[in-house]
Amino acid sequence: AQSVTQLDSQVPVFEEAPVELRCNYSSSVSVYLFWYVQYPNQGLQLLLKYLSGSTLVKGINGFEAEFNKSQTSFHLRKPSVHISDTAEYFCAVIRTSGGYQKVTFGIGTKLQVIP
Amino acid sequence: KAGVTQTPRYLIKTRGQQVTLSCSPISGHRSVSWYQQTPGQGLQFLFEYFSETQRNKGNFPGRFSGRQFSNSRSEMNVSTLELGDSALYLCASRVTGGETEAFFGQGTRLTVV
Repeated sequence: AQSVTQLDSQVPVFEEAPVELRCNYSSSVSVYLFWYVQYPNQGLQLLLKYLSGSTLVKGINGFEAEFNKSQTSFHLRKPSVHISDTAEYFCAVIRTSGGYQKVTFGIGTKLQVIP
Repeated sequence: KAGVTQTPRYLIKTRGQQVTLSCSPISGHRSVSWYQQTPGQGLQFLFEYFSETQRNKGNFPGRFSGRQFSNSRSEMNVSTLELGDSALYLCASRVTGGETEAFFGQGTRLTVV
């Protein structure tokens, strides 16, 4: 079984301030880790993903995340947020088996950037 | 290259009715997955289809069903609608299995009254 915990349901932050969105996961096997962003009335868009290799992953729009195996975490960070970053962010854990994926999403974190 | 297309975007149905949602994946993508998104439950996996076969299924009642056609387009059907089925239904397509990225459509907003 696998699970994802996004510790904060809402994160308000002032424009140009740094932000960290937290994600912890649980799995008995190796998994892949993704962060998606959802803008209002839109589908999900991939921000970044960790498959293997370097634990620091850089994504689109200036976001990055660090995979920490010992702490089973994959926190998302941005050094300076913009109003346009206001959206909901989802952490996802993906396990592959027999050629198909088992995907588990976190409950989501709403990032509100305050002007 | 066109993205994942879901139709219709918005739908209002009455309790007890049935509904069919459509998803056209990105050209060349053979895997289609469906998700239900609600404020309280977040994103819940419904099922995945690959080459017209259901390969994985989430914990939803039998009222939720789907199918995939030979051109990879997929439909999802919900019968005997309940108020609790009101949600955003998202479709995602992938090239194939493994760790490949899923591309999401904009979703169909279903409201059951």
